[in-house]
Amino acid sequence: QVHLVQSGPKVKKSGASVMVSCKASGYTFIDYYFNWVRQAPGQGLEWMGWINPNTGVTEIAQKFQGRVTLTRDTSISTVYMELSRLKSDDTALYYCARMCTSSWCPIPYGMDVWGQGTTVTVS
Amino acid sequence: SYALTQPPSVSVAPGQTARITCGGNNIGSKSVHWYQQKAGQAPVLIVFADSDRPSGVPERFSGSNSGNTATLTVSEVEVGDEADYYCHVWESYSNQVVLGGGTKLTVL
Repeated sequence: QVHLVQSGPKVKKSGASVMVSCKASGYTFIDYYFNWVRQAPGQGLEWMGWINPNTGVTEIAQKFQGRVTLTRDTSISTVYMELSRLKSDDTALYYCARMCTSSWCPIPYGMDVWGQGTTVTVS
Repeated sequence: SYALTQPPSVSVAPGQTARITCGGNNIGSKSVHWYQQKAGQAPVLIVFADSDRPSGVPERFSGSNSGNTATLTVSEVEVGDEADYYCHVWESYSNQVVLGGGTKLTVL
């Protein structure tokens, strides 16, 4: 069964950095991109970026360029999202979600499996 | 950059049909996906590639896409369908994910 399991809640001070992990299981790790999507309290979903775990290539939304770094460790099927220079309005629930982009994909470009979310609180 | 527009809210009575729209420039040329997010839960994909459903999603959920508007239709709405719904496209020009602002479906 396919699962994405994220790290636990984080509390950080303004100006600090936070790293959230997302561990995949139940499928071939390098076959799917990973998106990071956040949701501020009472707000909608906001896309932050994606990483291709096969190549390490990333694409970051303009709003987060210079502050977000996406990395992966293929040996443990885990991707990481690091957000730096934290501000109070970075307080949100952060999700990872896989997305298939290959021609054989059963669900091309849809985010078909999501992590449980990680709460990041910036005080 | 490409933008998707959804109505903030839609209300229907149980048993009726709800239609949630997602507007975008020539969105009919793109593949649209829809997610359902119930309170306190992660989003769940309910429609992909305009009108296909992942296994386990009831047939009451259907999608269409033409021109500048994609539509998620929920037939025979149940109280349990109350949730936020988001549309999503892949913007191939920029290789980016674009998400709509979300629509809150209220079942009266």
